[in-house]
Amino acid sequence: GAGVSQSPSNKVTEKGKDVELRCDPISGHTALYWYRQRLGQGLEFLIYFQGNSAPDKSGLPSDRFSAERTGESVSTLTIQRTQQEDSAVYLCASSARRGNTEAFFGQGTRLTVV
Amino acid sequence: GESVGLHLPTLSVQEGDNSIINCAYSNSASDYFIWYKQESGKGPQFIIDIRSNMDKRQGQRVTVLLNKTVKHLSLQIAATQPGDSAVYFCAENWNNNAGNMLTFGGGTRLMVKP
Repeated sequence: GAGVSQSPSNKVTEKGKDVELRCDPISGHTALYWYRQRLGQGLEFLIYFQGNSAPDKSGLPSDRFSAERTGESVSTLTIQRTQQEDSAVYLCASSARRGNTEAFFGQGTRLTVV
Repeated sequence: GESVGLHLPTLSVQEGDNSIINCAYSNSASDYFIWYKQESGKGPQFIIDIRSNMDKRQGQRVTVLLNKTVKHLSLQIAATQPGDSAVYFCAENWNNNAGNMLTFGGGTRLMVKP
């Protein structure tokens, strides 16, 4: 596609349920990032994938959070047993492997846990 | 760089004045820097970039300054307009063995008063 695509754009879930968020990066982009952004706050790094290398999971806040990526394409972020504190916008970005190049962001998934 | 996940500092300026947004980055090996603008309800979007072999780069109404000695980056917006109201993030890029890795600063909210 032309840009980074995230789905769903909005998700309302009940506390305790699991949710899965999807990110389709720009074709050919080997690097993929997930961020969490709470209302009125900055970008909180969650996880980084780069090609077939082991992902950098240092930003995942708890073991309820996990992310997978199939090769250099789609990534899913899974939150198990959601809590109200998980309510936020989840942003995905992708960039090329080498060279001075920006990361392109999707529009985000707004997650609301009720 | 600045810590992420914190409440955003706010810069309030009068319409028509110049704005200066500052950022401290953390990695002396970073070779490429980007400023992003995030409007309400949207993902961050690229504004301007600068390579580490430069200390200044100008765009349309925006200028980025890089001081590698003190690891400081600034974004100057000339004749600030209401449409400039947004959150601004700096990002630093460095290359590890796997490829590019982009790290974001905490962000600054710019509010333009009419």
